[in-house]
Amino acid sequence: DAGITQSPRHKVTETGTPVTLRCHQTENHRYMYWYRQDPGHGLRLIHYSYGVKDTDKGEVSDGYSVSRSKTEDFLLTLESATSSQTSVYFCAIRDRVNTEAFFGQGTRLTVV
Amino acid sequence: DQQVKQNSPSLSVQEGRISILNCDYTNSMFDYFLWYKKYPAEGPTFLISISSIKDKNEDGRFTVFLNKSAKHLSLHIVPSQPGDSAVYFCAARVETSYDKVIFGPGTSLSVIP
Repeated sequence: DAGITQSPRHKVTETGTPVTLRCHQTENHRYMYWYRQDPGHGLRLIHYSYGVKDTDKGEVSDGYSVSRSKTEDFLLTLESATSSQTSVYFCAIRDRVNTEAFFGQGTRLTVV
Repeated sequence: DQQVKQNSPSLSVQEGRISILNCDYTNSMFDYFLWYKKYPAEGPTFLISISSIKDKNEDGRFTVFLNKSAKHLSLHIVPSQPGDSAVYFCAARVETSYDKVIFGPGTSLSVIP
């Protein structure tokens, strides 16, 4: 299994509070992605990174920011959480040579 | 608008029969397509892929077909087994220096014993 860890695995937070989700990899893969999974929408790309300090927006980036200061860590921040951001968040990593992505176990975030 | 579409939210198949999951896409810049399988409470796992220069790729019980002119691909599972019951996501890669990967909404497959 690819070495990818998401933390926390579960979180309940209040509307308006900041939240940071962490994705940590031990594979030294160049590409890292944050997706959210919602019923009827599947996996939607929030942000992705193609190298340290190199990030770009995905399909549903509003309300989210990311940072990648080290190859192994990709952080997803909700500056002010809203109920619409209640979802399951998945981090994925990929090496350019191998085009398939490896996913973490997911983080279930509930905003109340 | 979704660039990768899976129009069947769910599919039920008898054990031993063929399962066919369909996927349509709109972006001509996609150059690589992948299928992922997801069990509840787990992350998606890679199943099979196909390059846009091919029209078929086979791996054991799983075969993916690509029809570029129709912007359509399908995943065939033969024979279907109860352990295949899962959500299947179609995904496509845009070949740029950033390698964006876009997923479809998924199809939930139930294989009935």
